[in-house]
Amino acid sequence: LAKTTQPISMDSYEGQEVNITCSHNNIATNDYITWYQQFPSQGPRFIIQGYKTKVTNEVASLFIPADRKSSTLSLPRVSLSDTAVYYCLVGRDNDYKLSFGAGTTVTVRA
Amino acid sequence: NAGVTQTPKFQVLKTGQSMTLQCAQDMNHNSMYWYRQDPGMGLRLIYYSASEGTTDKGEVPNGYNVSRLNKREFSLRLESAAPSQTSVYFCASRETKFRAGPEKLFFGSGTQLSVL
Repeated sequence: LAKTTQPISMDSYEGQEVNITCSHNNIATNDYITWYQQFPSQGPRFIIQGYKTKVTNEVASLFIPADRKSSTLSLPRVSLSDTAVYYCLVGRDNDYKLSFGAGTTVTVRA
Repeated sequence: NAGVTQTPKFQVLKTGQSMTLQCAQDMNHNSMYWYRQDPGMGLRLIYYSASEGTTDKGEVPNGYNVSRLNKREFSLRLESAAPSQTSVYFCASRETKFRAGPEKLFFGSGTQLSVL
């Protein structure tokens, strides 16, 4: 798996947009970028996955520049319930050893 | 649809005791995983099973054994528990699909284990 680097923590306020950048300088051609969200006392859950350019779903957007050496998860207009840890993973179809780094703890305040 | 079910949710052991954590999924997924998460840290892979009948070591396999009993069930056993194994344990299964890109992981709600 490509090594990823993301900030340890970020603070925000309700209604703001939160952008979390993940660096993955040694990403391979066949690798995809996947983000998971983990609430306290729960297991992680899938948020979004992309290969290049931009992907958007009902929860978030994922921006991937042309060189794919980084990616940015964007959470629009966050609420208190978006307080969680967010993990960035880089891997491909036949990667079975899926490990999570420390993630980014996002704290949303009123 | 229950998804991934883990039992028990909480467990306290004394050093040297043994126990088995149970995990079952009802999504017909081929691959299953066991992770541990220590306070303030990310998830570390203990063991995984890419398909029924196969198991492989992850990052931190020492002190654990696993059994892929059938396609639905993947258990984790601590033969002689140590305080260093105090952690939250998560089981996950990985979807089987036919589109490009890594499959999603689906996690259970975790087992909080304390070893005294």
